Amino acid sequence: KAGVTQTPRYLIKTRGQQVTLSCSPISGHRSVSWYQQTPGQGLQFLFEYFSETQRNKGNFPGRFSGRQFSNSRSEMNVSTLELGDSALYLCASSLDRGADTQYFGPGTRLTVL
Amino acid sequence: QKEVEQDPGPLSVPEGAIVSLNCTYSNSAFQYFMWYRQYSRKGPELLMYTYSSGNKEDGRFTAQVDKSSKYISLFIRDSQPSDSATYLCAMSATRGRRALTFGSGTRLQVQP
Repeated sequence: KAGVTQTPRYLIKTRGQQVTLSCSPISGHRSVSWYQQTPGQGLQFLFEYFSETQRNKGNFPGRFSGRQFSNSRSEMNVSTLELGDSALYLCASSLDRGADTQYFGPGTRLTVL
Repeated sequence: QKEVEQDPGPLSVPEGAIVSLNCTYSNSAFQYFMWYRQYSRKGPELLMYTYSSGNKEDGRFTAQVDKSSKYISLFIRDSQPSDSATYLCAMSATRGRRALTFGSGTRLQVQP
């Protein structure tokens, strides 16, 4: 069974630009969560989507947004990029049946110059 | 102050040693406790999951949770060079375990 895939794996942008990251969950998984990982703040929860609806949201500004499609694939968007947005963005998927496991993708490394 | 505190290390041990990794937390609502392992350039993978207080053993790994002290531990017996990675504790107040709060991670190096 294929794991969680994220594209692109690496991305370089400049301040003020916007970026869209993509996540394909494991087949059959309906819940997709996004996390930001930085050396200073560690892994922080961004948001979770289930059935095309945002179900949970972390403490991030409105510049960070996401969506989920009917096939459970998800995208996250960051507008008006800041230097501090440089991070590894991780996507995790789960079946959404009780206390099930989240499986993480390899992440997208975003560098903002 | 962060909700979850974890010593970042690095922690260097010889092969075969017992490794102890720890996290403390401040949010009493946390009921579900996990340990993830993250190799360089990879996403985290779940190692252990524990609900509420108690111990759980899986092969060389033992997870302990002491809710009264707000303290969790992961023990690795007979450590191997392949265990060299960053270990992250994670916690959740909800049964779905999806909106996780992570520690900053401890980098472990097992020397052959």
